[in-house]
Amino acid sequence: DAMVIQNPRYQVTQFGKPVTLSCSQTLNHNVMYWYQQKSSQAPKLLFHYYDKDFNNEADTPDNFQSRRPNTSFCFLDIRSPGLGDAAMYLCATSRAGGGWAKNIQYFGAGTRLSVL
Amino acid sequence: EDKVVQSPLSLVVHEGDTVTLNCSYEVTNFRSLLWYKQEKKAPTFLFMLTSSGIEKKSGRLSSILDKKELSSILNITATQTGDSAIYLCAVEENAGNMLTFGGGTRLMVKP
Repeated sequence: DAMVIQNPRYQVTQFGKPVTLSCSQTLNHNVMYWYQQKSSQAPKLLFHYYDKDFNNEADTPDNFQSRRPNTSFCFLDIRSPGLGDAAMYLCATSRAGGGWAKNIQYFGAGTRLSVL
Repeated sequence: EDKVVQSPLSLVVHEGDTVTLNCSYEVTNFRSLLWYKQEKKAPTFLFMLTSSGIEKKSGRLSSILDKKELSSILNITATQTGDSAIYLCAVEENAGNMLTFGGGTRLMVKP
């Protein structure tokens, strides 16, 4: 089945130790998103790629970076994780430009990051 | 600043009850409103609403958009314990594919 896959499901890192979260998709969608979701809060968009074009949200800290080497994969790099970065990180995809039904975002299962 | 507000924040009901969840929004260029269900993992898509007054229905779940009142409701009839989840409302604007999420309603259905 076509889907959005995030690895790992759970990630534990140490304060200040770089960590990379990955997302892959088999939906052939041209837009990929990274969200941060803290407990009992709404998902907060960090950035998104529209094809190869990177779009950063104004309040996303510089500590967060992203790479999209090809259509199927997108990575979230946290250069120096702090305790406040512990959260669920959600990847989502959508197909832009194809009409209403194709603008739905489909989410991966998420990676829960703990920072010790 | 664009805003999406959901109410109530949380709700506890018994199996068989009917619930209505609310979502109101203030966005500059409304395009669509989406409802998602989130259990202990990723949000799963329920409905997308673009036209006012037209009900979308899937089994026991239904939703309707009121563009005049800038709001939407999600109804769940004959609730089951498996309906326990956080229900997220999100609004898409014309300017792009970004979604602005509300804070969610946490629904707990007791046996």
